[in-house]
Amino acid sequence: LAKTTQPISMDSYEGQEVNITCSHNNIATNDYITWYQQFPSQGPRFIIQGYKTKVTNEVASLFIPADRKSSTLSLPRVSLSDTAVYYCLVVTSLGGNMLTFGGGTRLMVKP
Amino acid sequence: NAGVTQTPKFQVLKTGQSMTLQCAQDMNHNSMYWYRQDPGMGLRLIYYSASEGTTDKGEVPNGYNVSRLNKREFSLRLESAAPSQTSVYFCASSRRDRGSWETQYFGPGTRLLVL
Repeated sequence: LAKTTQPISMDSYEGQEVNITCSHNNIATNDYITWYQQFPSQGPRFIIQGYKTKVTNEVASLFIPADRKSSTLSLPRVSLSDTAVYYCLVVTSLGGNMLTFGGGTRLMVKP
Repeated sequence: NAGVTQTPKFQVLKTGQSMTLQCAQDMNHNSMYWYRQDPGMGLRLIYYSASEGTTDKGEVPNGYNVSRLNKREFSLRLESAAPSQTSVYFCASSRRDRGSWETQYFGPGTRLLVL
C-alpha cells in the first residue's frame, strides 16, 4: 500500500483558503485517494475521495494531478470549527486491504 | 439512524482485568473494524471483519480478541488488560464492495485507561 507524506501541522486564519498537500509516490493503478477529518475526542469523518483530476463536494475540493503522485485537499474560507487533524489515505479498490492512517496534518485556524 | 455506536464511552481497568468493548451499526454494512489511537498518533487497525462470521487480524492484534456476533455487532475483548493498552478505541463500519470505493464510518470512541 502506498505510503503517504503530509505536513505535520499548518496554521491559518478564518476566511482563508487552506491547501493541504499529500504525497504518495508509490500509488498504484487500482488505488484512490481519500481524506478524513478528525476533531478532538471524536472518530474520523470522511471528507472527500477521488481518483484523478478534480473532485468537489459541499465541504472541500480535491485536486489530483495526472501523475497521481500527490493530491491537494482544499478547504475554502475556513472557520474556527475547521480546526482538526486531516488524514490523507491511499486505498485500493481491489478490496482485502485496510485503511492505513498516518500522523495526519493538524490544522489550526486562528481568529 | 444512529450510525455507529460504542459502549462504554470511558472505562478504567486495573492491570489483569478483562473487559469487552461493544460496537453496533445500523447501516446494514458488511464490514466492521476496531482501531486504537494513542495520543498524538494516527489510528492503527486491531481487527476487522469483512463479513458476518469472519474476522481477521490487523496491524496490532496482540492482546485482543473479537467477535462478530451478527451483522450489526462487533465486539472487542481484552482478556488481561495491560497499561500499554491505554488508548482510545474506535469502531468503524463500511460497505465493502470489491471494485468500489470504500467509505468508513466511525463511532465516537471508547477511552480506556489501564492502571
